[in-house]
Amino acid sequence: DVKVTQSSRYLVKRTGEKVFLECVQDMDHENMFWYRQDPGLGLRLIYFSYDVKMKEKGDIPEGYSVSREKKERFSLILESASTNQTSMYLCASTSDGNGYTFGSGTRLTVV
Amino acid sequence: GENVEQHPSTLSVQEGDSAVIKCTYSDSASNYFPWYKQELGKGPQLIIDIRSNVGEKKDQRIAVTLNKTAKHFSLHITETQPEDSAVYFCAPFIDFGNEKLTFGTGTRLTIIP
Repeated sequence: DVKVTQSSRYLVKRTGEKVFLECVQDMDHENMFWYRQDPGLGLRLIYFSYDVKMKEKGDIPEGYSVSREKKERFSLILESASTNQTSMYLCASTSDGNGYTFGSGTRLTVV
Repeated sequence: GENVEQHPSTLSVQEGDSAVIKCTYSDSASNYFPWYKQELGKGPQLIIDIRSNVGEKKDQRIAVTLNKTAKHFSLHITETQPEDSAVYFCAPFIDFGNEKLTFGTGTRLTIIP
């Protein structure tokens, strides 16, 4: 089975901290995605990547950046965490023409 | 971009009865129609999908039906069980070349024992 592993299930960070959320997939997928999930708002796309060193903005990229130095790893970076970035963050990967495989999520709390 | 709506937003069903969730989309070029199930504390998981050259697909107790003319597709769960309780998302999109999904806002299904 394809596995998408997110490094942390729960994180608590302080306002202004730089935060790294890591995601690794083990099936050589080209495409990787970061979503955030909030009650009543569903899943919203932050950033995605179709290839190494390639990134595209999603619907809500403000306050975030990403890094994809290796095909299997896609990192989400909060440059200066704010309380409105408290959320569940979901990483996903897919190869062309197939459904997404999601990680278990990271619940980030910014205090 | 794709405009996706799901109905209902919440659904409670007696165990053993059937549940139906409908997803309406706006982009007539969409040709891949997946449904995801998200259990508490987990990421969404693909449970069934259909492509636009097929009208219906079944996998045991779950099925998906597609009406491309009306631009909607539905998830059907028969003989519901407590483990079917979850949030379900649809995510129609244009396959091959545009892998960016737009998710519906989700349907919380509760199975009443």
